[in-house]
Amino acid sequence: KAGVTQTPRYLIKTRGQQVTLSCSPISGHRSVSWYQQTPGQGLQFLFEYFSETQRNKGNFPGRFSGRQFSNSRSEMNVSTLELGDSALYLCASRGAPSTDTQYFGPGTRLTVL
Amino acid sequence: QKEVEQDPGPLSVPEGAIVSLNCTYSNSAFQYFMWYRQYSRKGPELLMYTYSSGNKEDGRFTAQVDKSSKYISLFIRDSQPSDSATYLCAMTSNSGGSNYKLTFGKGTLLTVNP
Repeated sequence: KAGVTQTPRYLIKTRGQQVTLSCSPISGHRSVSWYQQTPGQGLQFLFEYFSETQRNKGNFPGRFSGRQFSNSRSEMNVSTLELGDSALYLCASRGAPSTDTQYFGPGTRLTVL
Repeated sequence: QKEVEQDPGPLSVPEGAIVSLNCTYSNSAFQYFMWYRQYSRKGPELLMYTYSSGNKEDGRFTAQVDKSSKYISLFIRDSQPSDSATYLCAMTSNSGGSNYKLTFGKGTLLTVNP
């Protein structure tokens, strides 16, 4: 079974721009979560989507948003990019709301100049 | 105080050594505990998952949970150069539902030298 895929793998943007990252979960998985990983803060939870609905949200500003489509694919958007948004953005999927293990994709490395 | 504390290392050991990695946590609501391994420029890979206090073994890996002390460990026996990676502990308070999220330690960088 194919794993979680994320596109693009690498991205360079400038301050003030916006960016959209994409995630395709493992086939059959309906829950998608997003995390931000930085050297200083480690892995931090952004939000989770299930059946096109956001179910949980971390402590990030409103510039970070996401959505999920009917095929469970998810996108994350960051508007008005800041230098501090440079990070590895990881997507993780799990099989159902009641399962407790997440499987991560390879991440998208975002650099903001 | 952060919810999950993990010594970032780096930790360097010779091949064949026993490695001990640890995390402490402050939130007594955490009930489910995981260890992930992350190679450079890759996403985290689930290694071990435990629920109850005690030990769980899988090959060369043993996960240990002590809920009374809010302390979890991962032991790697007969360590190999291929084990060189960052090890992340993660935990959550519920097994699913609408409030599911993982809280991670910052990770320990391990290098196993041939």
